[in-house]
Formats: sequence, C-alpha cells, structure tokens
Amino acid sequence: GAGVSQTPSNKVTEKGKYVELRCDPISGHTALYWYRQSLGQGPEFLIYFQGTGAADDSGLPNDRFFAVRPEGSVSTLKIQRTERGDSAVYLCASSLVGGGTSGYSTDTQYFGPGTRLTVL
Amino acid sequence: QKEVEQDPGPLSVPEGAIVSLNCTYSNSAFQYFMWYRQYSRKGPELLMYTYSSGNKEDGRFTAQVDKSSKYISLFIRDSQPSDSATYLCAMSLITGNQFYFGTGTSLTVIP
Repeated sequence: GAGVSQTPSNKVTEKGKYVELRCDPISGHTALYWYRQSLGQGPEFLIYFQGTGAADDSGLPNDRFFAVRPEGSVSTLKIQRTERGDSAVYLCASSLVGGGTSGYSTDTQYFGPGTRLTVL
Repeated sequence: QKEVEQDPGPLSVPEGAIVSLNCTYSNSAFQYFMWYRQYSRKGPELLMYTYSSGNKEDGRFTAQVDKSSKYISLFIRDSQPSDSATYLCAMSLITGNQFYFGTGTSLTVIP
C-alpha cells in the first residue's frame, strides 16, 4: 500500500515569509509525528498527534511553528516569519496506534521522504 | 549532553565485511530501541526494533541491546554495496511517543 507522502518535496522561500508543509499519513494510522532534520543530524521531534489533537507539542521551537490535523488524517505544519535557521528537512511519520497514557507500547513509526525547506 | 550519542563516521568497509554500528544513551528509562536506514535525500526506513535488553536477528542484521551499559549495537553480516547509507539509532520511553535519534553513522560498502 501507499506509504507516508509529503508535499512539496522541496520548498525555497525568503526570510520572513510564511510556509505550509503537508503530510499524508498511511491510511488508518491514528498517530502522526513531525520531526526536523538538520544537515548531519538525526531527526528532532517537533509534535505528535493522536487523532485530531496534538498530544505532545513540546518539540516545537517557538510560537512561529504550528501544526494542525483537522480531520485526523492529513496534517499541515505551518511556519510563520521564516528564518534562515529554519532551513532543514521536515519529516513526517505515522504509526498505527501510538502510545502515551493509553498504556499501549510505542508503535513503529513509518517516515515519509521529507520536505527540504530552504530559507534564503 | 545529548540523550543519544552516535559516532557519525564516516565508516568505509569492503564488500563482505561485518559492520558494527553503536549508540550510547543516558536515559535509563528508554525501553524501545530502533535502527533506521536512511539513503541520501530519502526518509528513514525502519530496519530493526527491539524491546528492552537482548538480541534480535533478521537476515543479515542483528540488533543488540545492553541496558546495564546503556549501549545498543547493530551488526551487518556480509555487507553489500546496497547497504551504503546512513544508519540512525532511535529510542523511546515505553509510554512516550517521541523518538530520540542519534546523529547517524554514514556507511560506505566498497565493491
């Protein structure tokens, strides 16, 4: 079946502009995650959704970053007033269940190809 | 100190060699350990996952967890040029969902 898809694959923008990055998770996966990967680094957690709600947004670096998942499927990561330091690959992952207070064990996260964001 | 430490390499080996990749971690509460493979300009692809201490084997890959030493390893037997990629270790708390990644080790297998 189809994996996690992300659009666009590449985004170039100017400092101060607003950008939206989209993630389409694997069908039926209730949990969705956003990570950011800088060059030569591992992915860093940004936010996790269980269904429509953000269960953990502790990784968002500041209030310029916001993410939504209004219908519990597709998610959009929004970055306002972009800065050059925001340049990175933004990865989305989904999992079937997810864990947390429900008591389920952590489930396997499947990653999309990422969106490469360049802020000039 | 980062929660997960991984030697970035690069690591270069001849085809057929046994490869050993390692990560150390500081949080003794981590219970779930993963290895991902990432090709250039692609998303991470899950290779192995293990729960708690012990070994797990899958084909040419063996994942090993030593919780007493806070040390995990991935062994690749009979390495192939197609194994050339960056290998990321990741771990999480049993009740958490945030994955903590190492920086990744770049591996090149020379034909």
